[in-house]
Amino acid sequence: TAGITQAPTSQILAAGRSMTLRCTQDMRHNAMYWYRQDLGLGLRLIHYSNTAGTTGKGEVPDGYSVSRANTDDFPLTLASAVPSQTSVYFCASSAGDGSGGYNFGSGTRLTVV
Amino acid sequence: GQNIDQPTEMTATEGAIVQINCTYQTSGFNGLFWYQQHAGEAPTFLSYNVLDGLEEKGRFSSFLSRSKGYSYLLLKELQMKDSASYLCAVMDSNYQLIWGAGTKLIIKP
Repeated sequence: TAGITQAPTSQILAAGRSMTLRCTQDMRHNAMYWYRQDLGLGLRLIHYSNTAGTTGKGEVPDGYSVSRANTDDFPLTLASAVPSQTSVYFCASSAGDGSGGYNFGSGTRLTVV
Repeated sequence: GQNIDQPTEMTATEGAIVQINCTYQTSGFNGLFWYQQHAGEAPTFLSYNVLDGLEEKGRFSSFLSRSKGYSYLLLKELQMKDSASYLCAVMDSNYQLIWGAGTKLIIKP
Protein backbone atom coordinates (compact mmCIF):
# COMPACT_ATOMS: atom_id res chain seq x y z
CA THR A 1 0.00 0.00 0.00
CA ALA A 2 1.46 3.33 -1.08
CA GLY A 3 1.88 5.99 1.52
CA ILE A 4 3.98 7.18 4.44
CA THR A 5 5.27 4.95 7.18
CA GLN A 6 6.33 6.33 10.55
CA ALA A 7 8.09 4.48 13.34
CA PRO A 8 7.78 4.01 16.19
CA THR A 9 4.04 4.42 16.82
CA SER A 10 4.70 5.57 20.35
CA GLN A 11 7.66 5.99 22.67
CA ILE A 12 8.43 6.98 26.23
CA LEU A 13 11.84 8.65 26.41
CA ALA A 14 13.90 9.78 29.37
CA ALA A 15 14.87 13.43 29.36
CA GLY A 16 18.36 13.98 28.03
CA ARG A 17 18.29 10.93 25.79
CA SER A 18 18.42 11.13 22.01
CA MET A 19 15.97 9.59 19.61
CA THR A 20 15.31 9.39 15.89
CA LEU A 21 11.79 9.26 14.52
CA ARG A 22 11.69 7.49 11.18
CA CYS A 23 9.63 8.44 8.15
CA THR A 24 9.58 6.70 4.77
CA GLN A 25 7.40 7.39 1.74
CA ASP A 26 6.98 5.41 -1.45
CA MET A 27 5.14 7.97 -3.57
CA ARG A 28 8.33 9.58 -4.92
CA HIS A 29 7.17 12.92 -3.54
CA ASN A 30 9.76 15.69 -3.68
CA ALA A 31 8.71 17.50 -0.51
CA MET A 32 8.55 16.12 3.01
CA TYR A 33 7.65 17.72 6.32
CA TRP A 34 7.75 17.12 10.04
CA TYR A 35 5.01 18.56 12.24
CA ARG A 36 4.23 18.42 15.89
CA GLN A 37 0.65 18.64 17.07
CA ASP A 38 -0.25 19.80 20.55
CA LEU A 39 -3.71 20.30 21.97
CA GLY A 40 -5.11 23.71 21.07
CA LEU A 41 -2.13 24.66 18.92
CA GLY A 42 -2.74 22.74 15.74
CA LEU A 43 0.00 21.52 13.45
CA ARG A 44 3.32 23.34 13.73
CA LEU A 45 6.07 22.83 11.18
CA ILE A 46 9.41 21.69 12.61
CA HIS A 47 11.53 21.12 9.51
CA TYR A 48 10.91 20.53 5.86
CA SER A 49 12.69 19.35 2.75
CA ASN A 50 11.70 20.49 -0.73
CA THR A 51 13.87 17.88 -2.43
CA ALA A 52 16.50 15.27 -1.59
CA GLY A 53 19.68 16.87 -0.30
CA THR A 54 18.02 20.04 1.00
CA THR A 55 16.32 20.89 4.29
CA GLY A 56 14.83 23.99 5.88
CA LYS A 57 13.66 25.21 9.26
CA GLY A 58 10.00 25.56 10.06
CA GLU A 59 8.19 27.41 12.81
CA VAL A 60 9.58 25.40 15.77
CA PRO A 61 12.97 23.90 14.78
CA ASP A 62 14.90 24.24 18.06
CA GLY A 63 15.98 20.94 19.57
CA TYR A 64 15.35 19.01 16.35
CA SER A 65 17.44 18.11 13.31
CA VAL A 66 16.64 16.37 10.02
CA SER A 67 18.43 14.92 7.03
CA ARG A 68 17.28 14.03 3.53
CA ALA A 69 19.83 11.70 2.02
CA ASN A 70 17.37 10.33 -0.55
CA THR A 71 13.83 10.91 -1.80
CA ASP A 72 12.15 8.30 0.39
CA ASP A 73 13.50 8.89 3.90
CA PHE A 74 13.24 11.90 6.18
CA PRO A 75 14.28 11.09 9.77
CA LEU A 76 13.78 13.53 12.64
CA THR A 77 16.31 13.49 15.48
CA LEU A 78 15.98 14.83 18.99
CA ALA A 79 19.56 15.21 20.26
CA SER A 80 18.71 15.67 23.93
CA ALA A 81 15.01 15.34 24.68
CA VAL A 82 13.17 17.68 27.05
CA PRO A 83 9.66 17.30 28.50
CA SER A 84 8.34 20.14 26.29
CA GLN A 85 8.98 17.90 23.31
CA THR A 86 6.19 15.61 24.48
CA SER A 87 3.81 15.70 21.52
CA VAL A 88 2.39 13.81 18.58
CA TYR A 89 4.71 14.00 15.58
CA PHE A 90 3.42 13.70 12.03
CA CYS A 91 5.48 13.25 8.91
CA ALA A 92 3.93 14.37 5.62
CA SER A 93 4.83 14.49 1.97
CA SER A 94 3.65 16.33 -1.11
CA ALA A 95 4.49 16.55 -4.76
CA GLY A 96 5.80 20.02 -3.98
CA ASP A 97 4.08 21.72 -6.88
CA GLY A 98 0.85 22.55 -5.12
CA SER A 99 -1.10 19.60 -6.40
CA GLY A 100 -2.84 17.06 -4.20
CA GLY A 101 -2.13 18.59 -0.82
CA TYR A 102 -0.22 16.65 1.80
CA ASN A 103 -0.24 12.96 2.67
CA PHE A 104 0.33 12.18 6.34
CA GLY A 105 1.86 9.29 8.19
CA SER A 106 -0.02 7.78 11.12
CA GLY A 107 2.01 9.71 13.68
CA THR A 108 4.40 9.03 16.55
CA ARG A 109 3.24 9.76 20.08
CA LEU A 110 6.29 10.76 22.10
CA THR A 111 6.35 11.25 25.85
CA VAL A 112 9.49 12.70 27.43
CA VAL A 113 9.74 12.08 31.17
CA GLY B 1 2.28 37.66 9.47
CA GLN B 2 0.33 34.67 8.32
CA ASN B 3 -2.84 33.72 10.09
CA ILE B 4 -5.64 31.19 9.74
CA ASP B 5 -8.70 31.57 11.97
CA GLN B 6 -11.44 29.03 12.56
CA PRO B 7 -13.75 28.37 15.51
CA THR B 8 -12.35 26.16 18.23
CA GLU B 9 -15.42 23.99 18.68
CA MET B 10 -18.89 23.52 17.22
CA THR B 11 -21.81 21.30 18.15
CA ALA B 12 -24.46 20.01 15.77
CA THR B 13 -27.23 17.41 15.69
CA GLU B 14 -27.19 14.17 13.74
CA GLY B 15 -28.95 14.64 10.39
CA ALA B 16 -28.52 18.42 10.41
CA ILE B 17 -26.25 20.75 8.42
CA VAL B 18 -23.22 22.56 9.80
CA GLN B 19 -20.96 25.23 8.30
CA ILE B 20 -17.38 25.64 9.53
CA ASN B 21 -15.83 28.97 8.62
CA CYS B 22 -12.19 29.80 7.97
CA THR B 23 -10.60 33.20 7.38
CA TYR B 24 -7.02 33.64 6.32
CA GLN B 25 -4.24 36.15 5.78
CA THR B 26 -1.21 34.65 4.05
CA SER B 27 1.75 35.67 1.92
CA GLY B 28 0.53 34.43 -1.42
CA PHE B 29 -2.19 31.95 -2.20
CA ASN B 30 -1.94 28.66 -4.04
CA GLY B 31 -5.09 27.02 -2.81
CA LEU B 32 -7.06 26.25 0.33
CA PHE B 33 -7.44 22.78 1.79
CA TRP B 34 -9.78 21.19 4.30
CA TYR B 35 -8.69 18.12 6.21
CA GLN B 36 -10.56 15.87 8.62
CA GLN B 37 -8.83 14.47 11.66
CA HIS B 38 -10.39 11.90 13.96
CA ALA B 39 -9.03 11.73 17.50
CA GLY B 40 -5.73 9.87 17.62
CA GLU B 41 -5.43 9.66 13.85
CA ALA B 42 -3.65 11.51 11.07
CA PRO B 43 -5.35 14.28 9.07
CA THR B 44 -6.98 13.11 5.85
CA PHE B 45 -7.68 15.23 2.78
CA LEU B 46 -11.26 16.44 2.24
CA SER B 47 -11.25 19.23 -0.32
CA TYR B 48 -9.21 21.72 -2.31
CA ASN B 49 -10.28 25.14 -3.62
CA VAL B 50 -8.10 27.39 -5.74
CA LEU B 51 -10.78 29.33 -7.61
CA ASP B 52 -13.71 31.22 -6.11
CA GLY B 53 -16.91 29.29 -5.72
CA LEU B 54 -18.37 26.10 -4.37
CA GLU B 55 -16.89 22.63 -4.75
CA GLU B 56 -19.28 19.81 -3.91
CA LYS B 57 -18.25 16.29 -3.04
CA GLY B 58 -21.05 14.13 -1.72
CA ARG B 59 -22.23 15.34 1.69
CA PHE B 60 -19.32 17.78 1.93
CA SER B 61 -18.96 21.10 0.10
CA SER B 62 -16.28 23.76 0.33
CA PHE B 63 -16.54 27.40 -0.66
CA LEU B 64 -13.83 29.96 -1.35
CA SER B 65 -13.79 33.74 -1.73
CA ARG B 66 -10.23 34.89 -2.38
CA SER B 67 -11.12 38.58 -2.26
CA LYS B 68 -12.52 38.14 1.26
CA GLY B 69 -9.88 35.67 2.45
CA TYR B 70 -12.72 33.36 3.44
CA SER B 71 -13.72 29.76 3.09
CA TYR B 72 -16.28 27.46 4.62
CA LEU B 73 -16.80 23.73 4.81
CA LEU B 74 -20.43 22.62 4.69
CA LEU B 75 -21.38 19.21 6.01
CA LYS B 76 -24.87 17.93 5.23
CA GLU B 77 -26.87 15.02 6.67
CA LEU B 78 -24.53 14.81 9.60
CA GLN B 79 -23.60 11.37 10.87
CA MET B 80 -22.04 10.43 14.19
CA LYS B 81 -18.87 9.43 12.35
CA ASP B 82 -18.45 13.08 11.29
CA SER B 83 -17.41 13.89 14.86
CA ALA B 84 -13.81 14.99 14.30
CA SER B 85 -11.59 18.03 14.01
CA TYR B 86 -11.66 19.92 10.72
CA LEU B 87 -8.48 21.68 9.72
CA CYS B 88 -8.31 24.61 7.30
CA ALA B 89 -4.96 25.14 5.56
CA VAL B 90 -3.74 27.61 2.95
CA MET B 91 -0.86 26.94 0.56
CA ASP B 92 1.33 30.01 0.46
CA SER B 93 3.61 31.40 -2.26
CA ASN B 94 6.31 28.82 -1.34
CA TYR B 95 3.85 25.95 -1.75
CA GLN B 96 3.89 25.29 1.99
CA LEU B 97 0.70 24.75 3.96
CA ILE B 98 -0.20 27.21 6.71
CA TRP B 99 -2.54 25.50 9.16
CA GLY B 100 -5.39 26.67 11.29
CA ALA B 101 -5.70 25.22 14.79
CA GLY B 102 -8.72 23.18 13.76
CA THR B 103 -12.42 23.10 14.65
CA LYS B 104 -13.60 20.28 16.85
CA LEU B 105 -17.05 19.21 15.66
CA ILE B 106 -19.25 17.40 18.18
CA ILE B 107 -22.28 15.57 16.78
CA LYS B 108 -25.14 14.85 19.16
CA PRO B 109 -27.88 12.27 18.54
